Amino acid sequence: DTGVSQNPRHKITKRGQNVTFRCDPISEHNRLYWYRQTLGQGPEFLTYFQNEAQLEKSRLLSDRFSAERPKGSFSTLEIQRTEQGDSAMYLCASSGIGRTGTGANVLTFGAGSRLTVL
Amino acid sequence: QKEVEQNSGPLSVPEGAIASLNCTYSDRGSQSFFWYRQYSGKSPELIMFIYSNGDKEDGRFTAQLNKASQYVSLLIRDSQPSDSATYLCAVNSGGSYIPTFGRGTSLIVHP
Repeated sequence: DTGVSQNPRHKITKRGQNVTFRCDPISEHNRLYWYRQTLGQGPEFLTYFQNEAQLEKSRLLSDRFSAERPKGSFSTLEIQRTEQGDSAMYLCASSGIGRTGTGANVLTFGAGSRLTVL
Repeated sequence: QKEVEQNSGPLSVPEGAIASLNCTYSDRGSQSFFWYRQYSGKSPELIMFIYSNGDKEDGRFTAQLNKASQYVSLLIRDSQPSDSATYLCAVNSGGSYIPTFGRGTSLIVHP
């Protein structure tokens, strides 16, 4: 297993265009997370899947953002009608199944997808 | 609103010194605590996690947790220039599988 894979690594787009990012988690991990990070800030939670079910979505996430995880494998994050404020690093992470308070809750991050909206 | 607070720094220490990084959290029901390291332009990678009050040591790193005071700290002994990075504190509230991250503390270890 090569870890968490994210594509594309960089995306430059014009305002108003749609973009889609893909994440392939570690194969035995059931949980998948999307975070967004801007310069000088920590990762900000966007959404969380357990298998194919999207269990939580940040209230800060506008309806221009949508995420899917069909069949509980890879996940996609789509941003419609991009705005300059969407420029950020989009991080995907995965973790195994386990109770809170165990090492199974450790997140393994992908390299990220950097979005620049012109 | 669950908050995780860290001083953004930068914290500058000489090579060989002990670097002390601190983090406070607002949710008293938090149960899982993590320290991640993030080099510039890279993604976060786990250093260590801690769940119980007290100290946990792993090589040059020691995590300290005090739930009564709602803080967690990371000590780095014998700091090396390669330790220069941003250190992110992350906290899971009780029963939640979603970590909330602080903004990170920038550490600079100068020769």
